Amino acid sequence: GAVVSQHPSWVICKSGTSVKIECRSLDFQATTMFWYRQFPKQSLMLMATSNEGSKATYEQGVEKDKFLINHASLTLSTLTVTSAHPEDSSFYICSARGQPNTDTQYFGPGTRLTVL
Amino acid sequence: RKEVEQDPGPFNVPEGATVAFNCTYSNSASQSFFWYRQDCRKEPKLLMSVYSSGNEDGRFTAQLNRASQYISLLIRDSKLSDSATYLCVVNKAGFQKLVFGTGTRLLVSP
Repeated sequence: GAVVSQHPSWVICKSGTSVKIECRSLDFQATTMFWYRQFPKQSLMLMATSNEGSKATYEQGVEKDKFLINHASLTLSTLTVTSAHPEDSSFYICSARGQPNTDTQYFGPGTRLTVL
Repeated sequence: RKEVEQDPGPFNVPEGATVAFNCTYSNSASQSFFWYRQDCRKEPKLLMSVYSSGNEDGRFTAQLNRASQYISLLIRDSKLSDSATYLCVVNKAGFQKLVFGTGTRLLVSP
C-alpha cells in the first residue's frame, strides 16, 4: 500500500523559533498533499492543500505567512511553522494523494509539536 | 452548525457486543463518505468507504442515508482491539477535501 512518512515525529522548541516538518510519499507520486492540524479532543482541521509546483491554497483563518508550505517535488512537501508560539502546539498530520489511486488520501504518522 | 457531527461518546461495551455509531452531515452536495479509525496519538486510518447501498467488511457494516444526511457504522462481535476513536469523514462538495467529525470514542472491555 501507499506509504507516507513525516519527519520529525515529535519536536519541542522555544517560542519564537521556526520549525520545519517534512512529508514524503515513499512509493507513489503525490500530486496533491494536504496539511491538517489536530488539537486535543478535537477533529482534524484542514490547514492547506498543496499541488506540486504551485502555491498552496489555505483554508479560511490559516495564516499563510505563518504556516509556509512548499511542495517542490512529487514526493515531498514541507510545512514550516514560523515564529512558533505555545498556541501552535498541536498534532500536525499530512496526507497525500496521487498516482495511481487518485481518490484516496494516505496519511502520514503525524508530528507532535510542543512550543515552550 | 458543524459540517459533520458525531456523538463523542465514550461508548463502553464488553467484548462481543454490537455497537453502532451515527453521524450527520450538513452539506447535501457531499459526495464521498468514509469511516476512519484513529488510535491515541496516531494518524487516522481508513476503515471503510460508505456507499449508498450499504456495505460490509467483516464485522463492520456502514450505511448511508442521503435523504436524511446520515451515516452509520455497526461493529459486531467487538474485540478489545476495536478500542479507538472512529471518525466520520465527508468530502467537501465540489472539492477533494475531507471534512472530519470530532470522532466517537469506543472502549471495549474484557
